Amino acid sequence: GENVEQHPSTLSVQEGDSAVIKCTYSDSASNYFPWYKQELGKGPQLIIDIRSNVGEKKDQRIAVTLNKTAKHFSLHITETQPEDSAVYFCAANTGNQFYFGTGTSLTVIP
Amino acid sequence: EPEVTQTPSHQVTQMGQEVILRCVPISNHLYFYWYRQILGQKVEFLVSFYNNEISEKSEIFDDQFSVERPDGSNFTLKIRSTKLEDSAMYFCASLEQPDYGYTFGSGTRLTVV
Repeated sequence: GENVEQHPSTLSVQEGDSAVIKCTYSDSASNYFPWYKQELGKGPQLIIDIRSNVGEKKDQRIAVTLNKTAKHFSLHITETQPEDSAVYFCAANTGNQFYFGTGTSLTVIP
Repeated sequence: EPEVTQTPSHQVTQMGQEVILRCVPISNHLYFYWYRQILGQKVEFLVSFYNNEISEKSEIFDDQFSVERPDGSNFTLKIRSTKLEDSAMYFCASLEQPDYGYTFGSGTRLTVV
């Protein structure tokens, strides 16, 4: 099955700085890579996704890049704000099932 | 925005008791899932359900677990005889079509004592 690894496990940045979270996957057949944000006591919420036929996707302050050859994808958050503080999970699909990374706890320091 | 609704938000149960976790997926979604998240760990797949039957299940989803869609709207996860290690957040998710992101519910925190 798919194996998704995520780094770092914790990340602290100053407000206004950028944050980058990286994931690797093992199954070359995976073709859809969502990112989820989970706030305390809530379920994961989809924030951005990318398909394997695209190398980069941007939505305001959030961007995701995908390198299919190297089997890695990254989440980039620019101009971070305190409300960006949360746990972020990457995921990769095998069919309709998703495998999640272990999560990155992001803290934005005001 | 359409939501996946889960009840209860928190359930405390004695070891060995049966629990039923309930979910109302988004109405036009066709694929339904249960995931669990042990505190501080990653989200783990339990089971997927499509066309009124289980389409995939993980090793975690043993004979103690069952799922049901008793009517057109509810999707339930039953744990027959709970163990301490079943304590976790259980998330229901639904999907309109393959290769799209899930919509997750807000979860049920199950505590087995």
